[in-house]
Amino acid sequence: GAGVSQTPSNKVTEKGKYVELRCDPISGHTALYWYRQSLGQGPEFLIYFQGTGAADDSGLPNDRFFAVRPEGSVSTLKIQRTERGDSAVYLCASSLIAGGQETQYFGPGTRLLVL
Amino acid sequence: AQSVTQPDIHITVSEGASLELRCNYSYGATPYLFWYVQSPGQGLQLLLKYFSGDTLVQGIKGFEAEFKRSQSSFNLRKPSVHWSDAAEYFCAVGAGYQKVTFGTGTKLQVIP
Repeated sequence: GAGVSQTPSNKVTEKGKYVELRCDPISGHTALYWYRQSLGQGPEFLIYFQGTGAADDSGLPNDRFFAVRPEGSVSTLKIQRTERGDSAVYLCASSLIAGGQETQYFGPGTRLLVL
Repeated sequence: AQSVTQPDIHITVSEGASLELRCNYSYGATPYLFWYVQSPGQGLQLLLKYFSGDTLVQGIKGFEAEFKRSQSSFNLRKPSVHWSDAAEYFCAVGAGYQKVTFGTGTKLQVIP
């Protein structure tokens, strides 16, 4: 069906506020990834889910960042006490787990601006 | 730690000319290598990937890339560029498909 969708497409918040970014993966994809892309940079890995559990969260920059995927489908990236340095495009991707041939399909991203 | 270097920040080519985008990687074992394209307002799209086998890999949209272990390179090529190829191109490396490290990208401009 449809590709990976992310909401909102843009989010403006004030320093210190809490934000949630949502990712709807491709139906049936068991793996889900979050990346952060700062201006002029390539995407930076944040966290990877297999099913409901975080298989690798080593890219989360600090404990203000947290992500969940409670039912193994939709995922939410949560950022507490936002800082101006958190401003970036947050990308989500999903993939099938199929014998080591998983291709990641990316969503359009959420552009976060922290004022 | 794995890393990727894309030495060209910006490249301009004429429509119909050939293209080569450079990518050098650092990784301790045989890497998984990828090229993605990102157009304005669109998500990243996989052009091609390499993990084993033939070192010359064919991708979508007429792109190909060659894995050269001795040079730690995975350069992207296209024999004849179209105006619609203008975009940003990212090379990426990983131990598998999961935790992938991207380069900083090369912006391609195509002039008539």
